[in-house]
Amino acid sequence: QSVLTQPPSASATPGQRVTVSCSGSSSNIGSSTANWYQQLPGTAPRLLIYNYNQRPSGVPDRFSGSRSGTSASLAISGLQSEDEGDYYCAAWDDSLNGWVFGGGTKLTVL
Amino acid sequence: EVQLVESGGALVQPGGSLRLSCAASGFTFSSYKMNWVRQAPGKGLEWVASISGSGATIYYADSVKGRFTVSRDNTKNSLSLEMNSLRAEDTAVYFCAREGGGRHCVVSSCTTYYYYSYMDVWGKGTTVTAS
Repeated sequence: QSVLTQPPSASATPGQRVTVSCSGSSSNIGSSTANWYQQLPGTAPRLLIYNYNQRPSGVPDRFSGSRSGTSASLAISGLQSEDEGDYYCAAWDDSLNGWVFGGGTKLTVL
Repeated sequence: EVQLVESGGALVQPGGSLRLSCAASGFTFSSYKMNWVRQAPGKGLEWVASISGSGATIYYADSVKGRFTVSRDNTKNSLSLEMNSLRAEDTAVYFCAREGGGRHCVVSSCTTYYYYSYMDVWGKGTTVTAS
């Protein structure tokens, strides 16, 4: 089991908005910051959101992040077919002294 | 161009050893903490190890502690992962990743702040198969 909990799958039609949740604890999301990574089929992970809601340059503003207590969320609006892939949340865990990941959410664009 | 290129992946028998390398270019390597992250076939991401810019601070996941050793050579802009006593469950694609970060001011005067970090540059990965 992963330290961070994500739903295994999510789906929506093009143009819709979809959210992915990530539940952690006081030793990771609650005391650190949450990041989100996108992994398209056959590629390396790509940083999508850092520090809960900041986007690296080049990431469209269709992607946004938020935090509430020990949970974080990723929202994708104006869904496009190229958004289909796996999405992972991650945070530094102060108790484990290491990075912890969610199990990943497979996003399907119907 | 900022780039990380892993190498050294191979097919190895359980109980065997392997050394992975990660060549960095396009940034001041010694200024960054570096990480190894792996992904077993069809599975999610799993953090393996971290090493500070100077190499003085190292952390390992419990699953590899005592078997894997991470090191770096800042004169050669190179990161390594020495893997011993390999098990079938170590079979994965191994990525090296650069860790960046900053300070977030909670109030405008910045009297209250916190530090944040993230893995912002990833290599394409190298495949290790213990079988």
